[in-house]
This record gives sequence, C-alpha cells and structure tokens, in this order.
Amino acid sequence: DQQVKQNSPSLSVQEGRISILNCDYTNSMFDYFLWYKKYPAEGPTFLISISSIKDKNEDGRFTVFLNKSAKHLSLHIVPSQPGDSAVYFCAASAGYGGATNKLIFGTGTLLAVQP
Amino acid sequence: EPEVTQTPSHQVTQMGQEVILRCVPISNHLYFYWYRQILGQKVEFLVSFYNNEISEKSEIFDDQFSVERPDGSNFTLKIRSTKLEDSAMYFCASADPPPYQETQYFGPGTRLLVL
Repeated sequence: DQQVKQNSPSLSVQEGRISILNCDYTNSMFDYFLWYKKYPAEGPTFLISISSIKDKNEDGRFTVFLNKSAKHLSLHIVPSQPGDSAVYFCAASAGYGGATNKLIFGTGTLLAVQP
Repeated sequence: EPEVTQTPSHQVTQMGQEVILRCVPISNHLYFYWYRQILGQKVEFLVSFYNNEISEKSEIFDDQFSVERPDGSNFTLKIRSTKLEDSAMYFCASADPPPYQETQYFGPGTRLLVL
C-alpha cells in the first residue's frame, strides 16, 4: 500500500546549495502533510508541515510546497548544511482537526550534504 | 524544550514472552500514538489513543497488543506473546491539544529484538 511515495532513496548536495526532496501521494483524502528528519537509532524529528488549504509554508531554511492537483509536495532546504545530513520522511494524514490523524509515512530519502 | 521519552531504549526477549514498552508523552498533550519500523521498512501506524480509549488501530494491532495510560503521565504498549516478526523499532508519539493536534512529536524509540 504505497499511499505516500518518496521515489528518490538518496540525494547528495554540496554545502550551501539547495536540497529538494520530493514526495508523491495517491490518497485524495490526505489534507495535512509533514516532513520529519531522522538520524539512525533516533526517533523522527518534526521539521515543517502544511495543510491542504495552503500551497507553501516556510520556516527559516525550510520551505514546503504543495501541489494538490499533482498530488505532490516538496521540501526545499536553503542553504544546505552538513548537519542536515539525515533521512527525511514525508508523512500525510486525513481528517484535519479530527482525533485520529494517523500518519502514513513514505520510505524516506537519505540526504547527504557534502562540505 | 519538552520531549517524548521512552524506556527501555533496547529490549531483548524470547519468543512467547510478554514485553511492556513505556512512554512519557509531552505533558499537556492529549493524543497518543504508537508506531513501529521494521528494519529497512517504513514507519507504520499501530494505534492511536485519546480520552482514555483507542481511537483507531491498524491491522497489525491484533489481540496480542494492548495500550494503557495507567496514570497521568505514562503511556504503555504491551505485547502479550512476542513473535519473531515483532522485532522492530517502536516509536511513541504525542500531539498538541486542539487546534494543533495534527503535528505529532516522536520519542527516541525502543529497539525490540525477539529471539
């Protein structure tokens, strides 16, 4: 059941450049999307989120873009730093404002930022 | 900054034994979750808990699993008779009170190994 897909298992960028991580989804009921960062042997750390009523949300170096018609979202990191090297997970939920809000995760993209 | 904590960090058990994984959610949070990640696979939803009852559970969460909030701070996941395939990283998460309950914050995880 591949409701949330991250088709790039890995990405390598130079320090200071832009990192763009992509995520596609198939379930049109999803109305809230999140990005998490994860280091090995640690839990996912929340980065940024966006609801389906918006197409962009920005927080410091992180910007998430949502294209509902294409069922696609992306995370931009500018400028990329070596400390950003981690696995990035896209997650989605349905029923905005509801009590359940289970998250459906993608498979993750390993970002390596080269000094 | 408040965070979700989990104990133990590692647990090794024999097949058929009972295990209890413990979590202390962020203090003012009202929504609680368990997820798991089998090595090399996606993070998967197990169960959500709100107002002292299960609000949703996945197909994985069968009769061998149970959750409890025994007091005002702890949230536990019990596996009554562990199987080899229960070996995974188990993550607890909690979410803000409304209207921000869409964002879930994860603990560092418990690595469970069933022999």
